[in-house]
Amino acid sequence: QQQVKQSPQSLIVQKGGISIINCAYENTAFDYFPWYQQFPGKGPALLIAIRPDVSEKKEGRFTISFNKSAKQFSLHIMDSQPGDSATYFCAARWPGAQKLVFGQGTRLTINP
Amino acid sequence: GAGVSQSPSNKVTEKGKDVELRCDPISGHTALYWYRQSLGQGLEFLIYFQGNSAPDKSGLPSDRFSAERTGGSVSTLTIQRTQQEDSAVYLCASSSAGAGANVLTFGAGSRLTVL
Repeated sequence: QQQVKQSPQSLIVQKGGISIINCAYENTAFDYFPWYQQFPGKGPALLIAIRPDVSEKKEGRFTISFNKSAKQFSLHIMDSQPGDSATYFCAARWPGAQKLVFGQGTRLTINP
Repeated sequence: GAGVSQSPSNKVTEKGKDVELRCDPISGHTALYWYRQSLGQGLEFLIYFQGNSAPDKSGLPSDRFSAERTGGSVSTLTIQRTQQEDSAVYLCASSSAGAGANVLTFGAGSRLTVL
């Protein structure tokens, strides 16, 4: 059972455009929702995160939008740059535990 | 250390052999995780160590998989009698206590290929 479903699997965006990656989760008990960015040959690195009591969080060009009633959250990358080309993973955390459940990942390509 | 260190970075083995993958977490980090990343898949949780508590082994896919953490620092993931479906990148991560517990710092991974 996939507890966090991520889409699309791959995404191509022109430089300067907006990249949008979506995730849906099953368990309403999840209490923390991070996004990780992974470059080829590297481990994933925390990009931005949100808690379910907040509907939006912005850090620079990166924004998480969170819809608790729909059990969905999304990552928006404004003014996308070629350096943003990477694989992005959404995740959700079990309450009272530190382990994360990850989505399947989205390979983002920003064309110059 | 400056980051999470994993070794070997690449391992090719024959079906049926045992393999050991090593993880050196960030110094002072109390929590250590192992995840598996298969081609085109997300990160699959395997096992979690926190301080001196009993590890959470709920993600280990079979009894061929085991892990230990010695002295609250270095961890070894062992896969016995490897199968082709074990081929994947095995990622280790660590995190600190308190406010830093939410931030997992991953190593670059150990790529395992079972022929």
